[in-house]
Amino acid sequence: AQTVTQSQPEMSVQEAETVTLSCTYDTSENNYYLFWYKQPPSRQMILVIRQEAYKQQNATENRFSVNFQKAAKSFSLKISDSQLGDTAMYFCAFMRGGADGLTFGKGTHLIIQP
Amino acid sequence: GAGVSQSPRYKVAKRGQDVALRCDPISGHVSLFWYQQALGQGPEFLTYFQNEAQLDKSGLPSDRFFAERPEGSVSTLKIQRTQQEDSAVYLCASSLVYNEQFFGPGTRLTVL
Repeated sequence: AQTVTQSQPEMSVQEAETVTLSCTYDTSENNYYLFWYKQPPSRQMILVIRQEAYKQQNATENRFSVNFQKAAKSFSLKISDSQLGDTAMYFCAFMRGGADGLTFGKGTHLIIQP
Repeated sequence: GAGVSQSPRYKVAKRGQDVALRCDPISGHVSLFWYQQALGQGPEFLTYFQNEAQLDKSGLPSDRFFAERPEGSVSTLKIQRTQQEDSAVYLCASSLVYNEQFFGPGTRLTVL
């Protein structure tokens, strides 16, 4: 079975700052995918970024990037130039290779202060 | 095209009642997933369909939970004899095979 751990229940930063959310996972699989999902208050879950485990290059999507350390089983999310609209719950998630259900962490509540 | 839709958005049930939650996936999406999200927690996997076949139901918490997708499109999650611990947001997601999952807005179930 897979486990995903997010050790930061809540983080708060000032607008325009850079923030890093941590995530570690445990698995015996070699082929898998990792995701960060954003869940704004009372709104639905949307994908922020994904990483295939077989790719060494860290994924980036505009202001969002990851630091994927496969040996350490670590998958952190960096948000640059944070904006008020980034305020949300952020969930790290794991999926085995092939179509499969996601295993989520408990989430980090990120608050961007004006 | 339209995203994943779920109905009802909110459901209040008395303990012991049966409920049915509906999910309309994105057209053409082969895979459909159900998750349960308790307050302040991350979603937990319940079950997974590929077309009409239920390939994994290992996350269903008890035999009171039942899901179906008879024509490989719309899915229904049914909970029989609801209990207070069933109160949660039930999320549906769909995907093309091996791709990202797109989530619906969820159904918030409150059992009194």
